[in-house]
Amino acid sequence: DTEVTQTPKHLVMGMTNKKSLKCEQHMGHRAMYWYKQKAKKPPELMFVYSYEKLSINESVPSRFSPECPNSSLLNLHLHALQPEDSALYLCASSQGERGNTIYFGEGSWLTVV
Amino acid sequence: AQSVTQLGSHVSVSEGALVLLRCNYSSSVPPYLFWYVQYPNQGLQLLLKYTTGATLVKGINGFEAEFKKSETSFHLTKPSAHMSDAAEYFCAVRGNQFYFGTGTSLTVIP
Repeated sequence: DTEVTQTPKHLVMGMTNKKSLKCEQHMGHRAMYWYKQKAKKPPELMFVYSYEKLSINESVPSRFSPECPNSSLLNLHLHALQPEDSALYLCASSQGERGNTIYFGEGSWLTVV
Repeated sequence: AQSVTQLGSHVSVSEGALVLLRCNYSSSVPPYLFWYVQYPNQGLQLLLKYTTGATLVKGINGFEAEFKKSETSFHLTKPSAHMSDAAEYFCAVRGNQFYFGTGTSLTVIP
């Protein structure tokens, strides 16, 4: 069983909507990640938070806005998305930014209509 | 810089046959290597990992992998495939971040 929990599991949103994806981990990890995954492709790193501070932004468009309220929670705020943003969004965590194992949640399936 | 290459985007095996999924890595430092499995409509699950120590690593669901430095390989094997092994498998190496291979889709034929 994964100890990284993501909600919602499925989300359908219009291009003018504002929505959020949520992630929670209870492993005491201090690094948290957002990945985007298209069908049959490997995950693509979007953001990394280390000790609640944004440490990596892989040139992600500003319509994606991450937030780390505390060491256990990670949000991804979505606004004015495009249909091509439809994908599986995976949250993950590791002990530290240099932690040697990354653990994934089940993902949130996002469809932009 | 670190990277991994997975040979074969699709592998089909008969139920009960040997599973062999290939992964070669490139790393300028001793690598941390991983295999993840992704079942349909799910997230990635850690199968096994190599960090240091024993080069033959055993993972969940009967899978194992052997780190071979001379061949820069970390191939994943399972002696006898089961229908439930059908999934996407990703090899990964830990550098400044995690670098994933392009994935291998495993089909198990009854």
